[in-house]
Amino acid sequence: LAKTTQPISMDSYEGQEVNITCSHNNIATNDYITWYQQFPSQGPRFIIQGYKTKVTNEVASLFIPADRKSSTLSLPRVSLSDTAVYYCLALSGTYKYIFGTGTRLKVLA
Amino acid sequence: SAVISQKPSRDICQRGTSLTIQCQVDSQVTMMFWYRQQPGQSLTLIATANQGSEATYESGFVIDKFPISRPNLTFSTLTVSNLSPEDSSIYLCSVVLGGRNTEAFFGQGTRLTVV
Repeated sequence: LAKTTQPISMDSYEGQEVNITCSHNNIATNDYITWYQQFPSQGPRFIIQGYKTKVTNEVASLFIPADRKSSTLSLPRVSLSDTAVYYCLALSGTYKYIFGTGTRLKVLA
Repeated sequence: SAVISQKPSRDICQRGTSLTIQCQVDSQVTMMFWYRQQPGQSLTLIATANQGSEATYESGFVIDKFPISRPNLTFSTLTVSNLSPEDSSIYLCSVVLGGRNTEAFFGQGTRLTVV
C-alpha cells in the first residue's frame, strides 16, 4: 500500500483558496487518490477521489499530475466551518483505507 | 450510501474488564473495517471483518485482545478485552459498498475511557 505524506498543519483565512499537497511516490498503477475530511468527534467523510488529471465536485478540486507521485486538494473560498483534518489516501483494490497523519487545517476569521 | 450506527457512543470502563462495541449498517455490505483513533492522532486500521470469513488483523492487533464477530451483512461487534488505560481511544466502524462504489462510510465512533 502506498504511503502518503502531507503537511501536518496549515492556517488560512476565510475566503481564501487552500491547497493541500500530498506526496505518494510509490503509488501503484491501480491505486486511486482519495481525500477525507474529519471534524472533531465525527468519523471521516469522503470529499473527492481521482486517478489522474483533474476532478472537481461541489466542494473541492483534485489535481493529479501525469506521474501521479503527488496530488493537490484545492478548497475554494474556505470558511470557518472548513476547519478540520484532511486525509490523503491511496486506495487499492482491497478497499482497505490506510490513513496517514493528515493535515490539520485551521481557518481564521 | 450507507448509514452506520455505533453503540455505545462513549463509555468509561474499569481496567481489566471488556467493552463490546456494536456496529449496525442500514444496508447489506460485505466489507467492514474497524479502526482505532487515539487522542489527537490519525486512524489506525485494526482489522477487516468481511462476512463469511474470519476477521483479518493488521500488524500489532491480535484476536485475543480484539475479538470481532460478523454474524450477518448488516452487523458486527468489536470487543476490546482486558482493558488498560492505553486502550483509551475512539473506535470507529467503517464499511465500503464495493464494486464501482469505493467510498468508505464511517460511524460516529465510540469513545472509550479506561480508568
